[in-house]
Amino acid sequence: DTAVSQTPKYLVTQMGNDKSIKCEQNLGHDTMYWYKQDSKKFLKIMFSYNNKELIINETVPNRFSPKSPDKAHLNLHINSLELGDSAVYFCASSQLKDYTFGSGTRLTVV
Amino acid sequence: GENVEQHPSTLSVQEGDSAVIKCTYSDSASNYFPWYKQELGKRPQLIIDIRSNVGEKKDQRIAVTLNKTAKHFSLHITETQPEDSAVYFCAATTNSGYALNFGKGTSLLVTP
Repeated sequence: DTAVSQTPKYLVTQMGNDKSIKCEQNLGHDTMYWYKQDSKKFLKIMFSYNNKELIINETVPNRFSPKSPDKAHLNLHINSLELGDSAVYFCASSQLKDYTFGSGTRLTVV
Repeated sequence: GENVEQHPSTLSVQEGDSAVIKCTYSDSASNYFPWYKQELGKRPQLIIDIRSNVGEKKDQRIAVTLNKTAKHFSLHITETQPEDSAVYFCAATTNSGYALNFGKGTSLLVTP
């Protein structure tokens, strides 16, 4: 059983499109996150949800909208995709500081 | 917010040598410092962590040291092997939200 699963694994799309990435965890963790890893490998927190409630919202364009329907799911919707959004997006979950990362979604905007 | 600096950005060592990666942090409230290893195309994997009430922790060939006063912590890998080649990230976090603030990574290459 995959602990933190993300779909899709790869996503290639044109500029201006809207896309979603889904994340699910079966660990019973209370907190879920989205991280972005850019082409220089820099990992940066985007959002954090605790029990469906947004607790961290870093400086991210409002084209990015996270949604947590329940504490096991955290989805990321991106509107009007731009070339600079190309990156690997990692979902993660944690119970306190016990962290598990998903395998990542490589988004390529062309 | 927390700012984590990591050095060096690249490190090349010969098999069997030791490797040291250093990080500094800015937020004195940070109390948890994990180290992650990321192989090409894979997710970050936790290799060792240390909490602020501990000065040093060791797990086989890997050790981490923490100096709270100076706000820096280091990863030490002894007897390096080619399979240690990867990107290593340090991180710091507080009790608020638990989001990890990562350093920019160190690309370690171990040559046979």
